[in-house]
Amino acid sequence: GAVVSQHPSRVICKSGTSVKIECRSLDFQATTMFWYRQFPKQSLMLMATSNEGSKATYEQGVEKDKFLINHASLTLSTLTVTSAHPEDSSFYICSAKRGAYNEQFFGPGTRLTVL
Amino acid sequence: SQELEQSPQSLIVQEGKNLTINCTSSKTLYGLYWYKQKYGEGLIFLMMLQKGGEEKSHEKITAKLDEKKQQSSLHITASQPSHAGIYLCGAGQTGANNLFFGTGTRLTVIP
Repeated sequence: GAVVSQHPSRVICKSGTSVKIECRSLDFQATTMFWYRQFPKQSLMLMATSNEGSKATYEQGVEKDKFLINHASLTLSTLTVTSAHPEDSSFYICSAKRGAYNEQFFGPGTRLTVL
Repeated sequence: SQELEQSPQSLIVQEGKNLTINCTSSKTLYGLYWYKQKYGEGLIFLMMLQKGGEEKSHEKITAKLDEKKQQSSLHITASQPSHAGIYLCGAGQTGANNLFFGTGTRLTVIP
């Protein structure tokens, strides 16, 4: 149990386009999901906390208008990188918190390359 | 904010050797998590520690949290190539749901 999927696993896009990344909890309901970003050889940095049915909470320095987060259901959160630029190229990982448990279960990640 | 420092940053060991990775916090930890990541992939949950002095083991991996809840260690016994990867410690903050991560330790196991 406690499987989190992400789609797509890899995406290459042109500068200026928007990219949507999906994060799904496959066998449990996640009231809270998190979006992280990881640069090569660096640790994960929390971007935002996504709560089902409410607005996401963004970390300092993360542009909410650029990284749109929607958590429309208890099993799905989406991250849309709007007007992507090469500096947005990174590895994006989501995680989901299962109910009252403290463990976070991570998705396999999405590698975004903006040309 | 919580800061987690891991040491060493990288580690190369011969297969069969034991090794230890440390995670140190500047503040009291409210839940300490160990994850393993293969580069470019998602994180695999290893263990969670919550109580001071707690120790957990899974197969050849043992994690401990000190009594003060400011330092944790991850010990691998008789390392194998399958243990290679990046080990990350993460900690929760009281009153918050999210985790802060350490800088990571890159482990290479030479057959």
